[in-house]
Amino acid sequence: QVQLVESGGGLVKPGGSLRLSCAASGITFSDYYMSWIRQAPGKGLEWVSYISSSGSGSNTYYAGSVEGRFTISRDNAKNSLYLQMNSLRAEDTAVYYCATKGGGDYFDFWGQGTLVTVSS
Amino acid sequence: QSVLTQPPSVSGAPGQSVTISCTGSSSNIGAGYDVHWYRQLPGTAPKLLIYGNINRPSGVPDRFSGSKSGTSASLAITGLQPEDEADYYCQSYDSSLSGPYVFGTGTKVTVL
Repeated sequence: QVQLVESGGGLVKPGGSLRLSCAASGITFSDYYMSWIRQAPGKGLEWVSYISSSGSGSNTYYAGSVEGRFTISRDNAKNSLYLQMNSLRAEDTAVYYCATKGGGDYFDFWGQGTLVTVSS
Repeated sequence: QSVLTQPPSVSGAPGQSVTISCTGSSSNIGAGYDVHWYRQLPGTAPKLLIYGNINRPSGVPDRFSGSKSGTSASLAITGLQPEDEADYYCQSYDSSLSGPYVFGTGTKVTVL
């Protein structure tokens, strides 16, 4: 079965950096578009970024709120997705989920999430 | 920052039916993009419930159904069960600067 396991979350000071990882299993990882989606404490879901499949050129796209600060990448040999987060702000505090994009514009499998807290 | 609007909460007794609305605009639902629904049980990750407006992934009971019309969509839950108490989110594609993927504001379903 599909399994996505995020890691790398933690407490970081404003202006700091953090790198999240997502290990995938049960899928042919290189064939999938992958996304990061976040959820601030007690709030709703916000799409953050996606990276297309290798066959589609591994193109990347970002929400305006993180453009220029976050970088998504993938290592197909390790079946892993990454999110490099720089210049972190208090408003980036959230649980970050990785998710696979299904055949349409929806997210069919999600990881359990990793909590990022930005605070001094 | 959510561009899809949902009621904050709905409730119903066990066995009853509830409907959750999702209102968008001409840059998302009204533009013909599909609507998808997720259920998030307390303390867990969201799970896909409905995709492509009306389709249920394998394992989702037929008590859950989706529909779409104009700039809005709806999720209906019939035969409410205690385990249906959760947060529900709609999601679509958006062609404006808000996009490309936008979520609804979320609805808390309470089983009385």
